Amino acid sequence: QLVESGGGLAQPGGSLRLSCAASGFSVSSNYMSWVRQAPGKGLEWVSVIYSGGSTHYADSVKGRFTISRDSSKDMLYLQMDSLRADDTAMYYCAKSLEWLLFFDCWGQGTLVTVSS
Amino acid sequence: EIVLTQSPGTLSLSPGERATLSCRASHSVGNRYLAWYHQKPGQAPRLLIYGASSRATGIPARFSGSGSGTDFTLTISRLEPEDFAVYFCQQYDDSPFTFGPGTKVDIK
Repeated sequence: QLVESGGGLAQPGGSLRLSCAASGFSVSSNYMSWVRQAPGKGLEWVSVIYSGGSTHYADSVKGRFTISRDSSKDMLYLQMDSLRADDTAMYYCAKSLEWLLFFDCWGQGTLVTVSS
Repeated sequence: EIVLTQSPGTLSLSPGERATLSCRASHSVGNRYLAWYHQKPGQAPRLLIYGASSRATGIPARFSGSGSGTDFTLTISRLEPEDFAVYFCQQYDDSPFTFGPGTKVDIK
């Protein structure tokens, strides 16, 4: 199970930190991703942290977002800086299956709204 | 970037009917690394199919996937009331790991 938190209203140029609590499996033993969905729109993969600790980002967030994890707490994080209006979306954390970047477990999502 | 196109945009069918959804890729998807999800309003997506044709755990046999290269299909043999949702395909062969825009299956 995955449970996200930390969403809310942020101003353009501001920051937010999203959290995702995992239960039933270890975040450090799996590939963990963030996927977002703008209101009424489709899905966009944002970032992944691999079991070895390396990270990868979509071009749209590279240099502004940072994915990390705390293995001792089985927590996944997404630090979001320099937020823009087009970052407004529901943010889901998701677990990969079989070391491949498709997702067999999703959280319920946390909504981020970027507006002045 | 591999761009995925899904058709039709909306599919209006009755319970018990067969649904055929298409996902077309701008470039060949290697290793058949294509997944299908459905999403109901207010819920997270749920994995249905991976590897183009392997059903995820707990997914009923009425869901089947096929295809390779640039053309993939999701078939629902007989629609149940809980199957009316939006269906997304996703390729995980190459970064960025892109999704299609979705096909909405609604009740006729």
